Amino acid sequence: DIQMTQSPSTLSASVGDRVSITCRASGNIYSRLAWYQQKPGKAPKLLIYRASNLESGVPSRFSGSESGTEFTLTISNLQPDDFASYYCQQYDSYALTFGGGTKVEIK
Amino acid sequence: EVQLVESGGDLVQPGGSLRLSCAASGFTFSSYAMSWVRQAPGKGLEWVSALSGSSDYIYYADSVKGRFTISRDNSKNTLFLQMNSLKSEDTAVYYCARGGIDYKHFDYWGQGTLVTVSS
Repeated sequence: DIQMTQSPSTLSASVGDRVSITCRASGNIYSRLAWYQQKPGKAPKLLIYRASNLESGVPSRFSGSESGTEFTLTISNLQPDDFASYYCQQYDSYALTFGGGTKVEIK
Repeated sequence: EVQLVESGGDLVQPGGSLRLSCAASGFTFSSYAMSWVRQAPGKGLEWVSALSGSSDYIYYADSVKGRFTISRDNSKNTLFLQMNSLKSEDTAVYYCARGGIDYKHFDYWGQGTLVTVSS
């Protein structure tokens, strides 16, 4: 199975900051990576698929990039609504696997 | 509007069984792969099982293989998860999720149903 190592586990930031979250895959996943946002008590919400494709309706301050087996979610100009947890997910092969999550907190 | 509504979560004793349902609406249910994803209290997301639109392809996480069975009734737009031999580590919120454009990521999620395994 492909393992996803996500970092950091917690990130403290202020409104207006630019923040980045990283996921490293244990093998080649051919850009088959998604990013989700989850708020407490709510279901996850798809932000990005295929490493860098923005899901419809998601603000353009969210972006995704990749370099080999390392994938990055960047939030530019952090907004109050962005304080949440974020998860990456590889979908190159079953078993589908998620990163451990990153909680973005208010500094 | 796409809607996924889970039901069936409950408190069950270790070794017991439970059947979860997910009622889908707002899209052509039979055209989409569906999955169950769970989240233990305070923990991250864990994929559980997936099923193709026509039920030709079925996949399970090793942690539930042999104990859980995924199925669907396309005439009733409903996804199921039969859970047997439940363990305390199966305690989680269970979400049903629709496969996105690449089939194996998830573009819509239900609100979740809580399964608690405890004596």
